[in-house]
Amino acid sequence: GAVVSQHPSWVICKSGTSVKIECRSLDFQATTMFWYRQFPKQSLMLMATSNEGSKATYEQGVEKDKFLINHASLTLSTLTVTSAHPEDSSFYICSATTGPSYEQYFGPGTRLTVT
Amino acid sequence: LAKTTQPISMDSYEGQEVNITCSHNNIATNDYITWYQQFPSQGPRFIIQGYKTKVTNEVASLFIPADRKSSTLSLPRVSLSDTAVYYCLVGDRNTGRRALTFGSGTRLQVQP
Repeated sequence: GAVVSQHPSWVICKSGTSVKIECRSLDFQATTMFWYRQFPKQSLMLMATSNEGSKATYEQGVEKDKFLINHASLTLSTLTVTSAHPEDSSFYICSATTGPSYEQYFGPGTRLTVT
Repeated sequence: LAKTTQPISMDSYEGQEVNITCSHNNIATNDYITWYQQFPSQGPRFIIQGYKTKVTNEVASLFIPADRKSSTLSLPRVSLSDTAVYYCLVGDRNTGRRALTFGSGTRLQVQP
């Protein structure tokens, strides 16, 4: 149980375009989802926290107008990278939890390359 | 949140036991120690969690001394597939309470 999926697993897009990444909890309802970013050879860094039905809370330095997060249902959160630039190329990982008294489960990640 | 310190990298050979030590001098009374494993281009995977003394599961053992200022993840008889980055985290027992703060991790390379 407790499976989190991400789609796509990898994506290449042109500079200036937008790309959407989906994060789904397959067998549980996720009240909270977290979005992390990981650059090569570096650790995971939190981008934002997303609660179902609420606006996401972004970490300092993360542009909310550039990284649009929508958590419209208890099983789906989306991250849209708008007007992508090559420096947005990274590995994006989501995690999901049923609540504060439960565990946090990670998705497999999405590799974004902006050319 | 308590800061953790781990070796940046370790090398081992197949069949050997690998011990990765993590320092967390400022661990709080209610904090648990949780270890995650991350393979290249994959999300982190929970390995083991403990509070004190020793915890063992089918994958690893976790040794925590009485003062809890450090912990050691022990991987018995590693194989090539254990090549990964291992992260030590200190905080809530229930990891869903807040976003996790990952340190630099330890990059384990297992050679044949």
